[in-house]
Amino acid sequence: AQSVTQLGSHVSVSEGALVLLRCNYSSSVPPYLFWYVQYPNQGLQLLLKYTTGATLVKGINGFEAEFKKSETSFHLTKPSAHMSDAAEYFCAVSPNTGGFKTIFGAGTRLFVKA
Amino acid sequence: DAGVTQSPTHLIKTRGQQVTLRCSPKSGHDTVSWYQQALGQGPQFIFQYYEEEERQRGNFPDRFSGHQFPNYSSELNVNALLLGDSALYLCASSLGGARDGYTFGSGTRLTVV
Repeated sequence: AQSVTQLGSHVSVSEGALVLLRCNYSSSVPPYLFWYVQYPNQGLQLLLKYTTGATLVKGINGFEAEFKKSETSFHLTKPSAHMSDAAEYFCAVSPNTGGFKTIFGAGTRLFVKA
Repeated sequence: DAGVTQSPTHLIKTRGQQVTLRCSPKSGHDTVSWYQQALGQGPQFIFQYYEEEERQRGNFPDRFSGHQFPNYSSELNVNALLLGDSALYLCASSLGGARDGYTFGSGTRLTVV
């Protein structure tokens, strides 16, 4: 069985500060890992993904995430927050064998203060 | 390049009624997944369609059913609506599995009164 835990339902940072959104997963098989962003009244947009290979992955809008197998984590970071980064962020996990269901975390709402 | 298109965007139904939501996947995608997103929560997997068959299903009752057509478009049907079915219903398309991630539509906001 798979599960995703996002630590912190709300995170607030100042504009220009580091953004760190935490995600831990549980999976019985090697997973694919994703981060999605959702703006109000919109669907989800893929930010970045980890499938195989390099554990530090870069995505759109300056975001990156690092897959740490030993910690079962896939935290999302951005060096300098921008006002336009304010949104809901979802971590997701999908099995790379034996299934097709992508499971999403409960989400973390990012607030960016001027 | 058209992304995922969902219709209608908003819908209000009465308890006990039936509803059909529609989804056209991104061009080139052959797999459609449906999710339910309640207010303030993450998307919950309903089911996935591939080659016109339900390939996997989440923990949703049989009141939720679907269909995929030869052109890869899909419908989600919900019978005997309950107040708790009020949510944003998201359609996501992909090519094959989830390896490349999903492309999501903007969703259908269903309100059951």
